[in-house]
Amino acid sequence: QGQLEQSGAEVKKPGASVKVSCKASGYTFSNYDVNWVRQAPGQGLEWMGWMNPKSGNTGYAQKFQGRVTMTRNTSSLTAYMELRSLRSDDTAVYYCARGISINCRSGSCTGGWFAPWGQGTPVTVPS
Amino acid sequence: QSVLTQPPSVSGAPGQRVTISCTGSSSNIGAGYAVHWYQQFPGAGPKLLIYDNNNRPSGVSDRFSGSKSGSSASLAITGLRTEDEADYYCQSYDDRLSGSRVFGGGTKLTVL
Repeated sequence: QGQLEQSGAEVKKPGASVKVSCKASGYTFSNYDVNWVRQAPGQGLEWMGWMNPKSGNTGYAQKFQGRVTMTRNTSSLTAYMELRSLRSDDTAVYYCARGISINCRSGSCTGGWFAPWGQGTPVTVPS
Repeated sequence: QSVLTQPPSVSGAPGQRVTISCTGSSSNIGAGYAVHWYQQFPGAGPKLLIYDNNNRPSGVSDRFSGSKSGSSASLAITGLRTEDEADYYCQSYDDRLSGSRVFGGGTKLTVL
């Protein structure tokens, strides 16, 4: 089934950067994308982007382009998400999640879901 | 403003059936992309509840079911229990936002 274990809580000053790690176990790390999703206090889920562990290819949500970088270390089976120029509205819990690839055939698609999820990493940026 | 639209809250009494809607558009659900549902309890991370519109992962109760029609999808919960009280999110993929996964705004289920 697999598991994702994330790094611990962070408190950062405005303008600083944060790097969150996500260590995979129980499945073949290189076979599945790692996605990052964040959740601000009392708010919904917001998708940030994906990273393919085999190729290192990435895709970022438009909102975060230029401010986020997703990388990996295939030796340690760990994915990383770095967010720069932090602001108070970046205060959120950041989750990594294994993503299932999308397959489309004759106008109908399957796949694209996230499972499992990491336990979440709270990042606080005081205003 | 979420790309997928869910009601902010729904409620029901124990034993009842409730449904949660998820409305998209021709660039996501209506384009043929699958809809997935997640359950989240306070202080915990999301958990996959339904994948590919109407499939349950191993271990998920058959009281939960999903459906999709056109540009919308629904999550149904039958035989409502107090332990079902949680937030529920739908998720899909959107063509316009190249490579973007998109979520609904979430629905808080209250069991009266």
